[in-house]
Amino acid sequence: QVQLQESGPGLVKPSETLSLTCTVSGGSINPYYWNWIRQPPGKGLEWIGYIYYSGSTNYNPSLKSRVTISLDTSKNQFSLKLSSVTAADTAVYYCARMEGIGSYSPFDYWGQGTLVTVSS
Amino acid sequence: EIVLTQSPGTLSLSPGERATLSCRASLSVYSSSLAWYQQKPGQAPRLLIYGASSRATGIPDRFSGSGSGTDFTLTISRLEPEDFAVYYCQQYGSSSLTFGGGTKVEIK
Repeated sequence: QVQLQESGPGLVKPSETLSLTCTVSGGSINPYYWNWIRQPPGKGLEWIGYIYYSGSTNYNPSLKSRVTISLDTSKNQFSLKLSSVTAADTAVYYCARMEGIGSYSPFDYWGQGTLVTVSS
Repeated sequence: EIVLTQSPGTLSLSPGERATLSCRASLSVYSSSLAWYQQKPGQAPRLLIYGASSRATGIPDRFSGSGSGTDFTLTISRLEPEDFAVYYCQQYGSSSLTFGGGTKVEIK
């Protein structure tokens, strides 16, 4: 059974960089798209971006200038960095898997989510 | 970017009733690449429907999806107590993946 687990600081100061890691267990990194999705408290879901098992990336245009997603296949992990954070970046951050051979697919496995609060 | 608009925002129904949720896209969704998710408080979303009408593994047959192009519908034929939750549609037909704003199905 595939499992995803987010980890990282729960509190980040304004203007700093938010960093999270997602560890994948029970399955392989390929051939999938590995995604980050966030949900501000009481609000809806926002896709942040993905990294393909080959290393190619695709980001939400509204966040593209601040986002970097990377992959460490040796550890079965992928990571998110979001720079210059503000209070508006406070959210539950989820990692999620999407199958991907030739086309996209829905998010079939999700992590439990981790709350990141931006505050001084 | 394809904008997904879900309606209504909130649906107040009783157990046993039928729920009909709408998701309208600002542009045609390629190849009916539309999914529905259920989210309960404190939990991650769970995939219910993909390809507009195919049920994901383990999803009861009271959940059904339909539609194509820009108009999609999720129907819950008879609401069970565990079905009261928030439902999101999501399109994966374009490279900028997007979600709808959600519909909350609450107990009347």
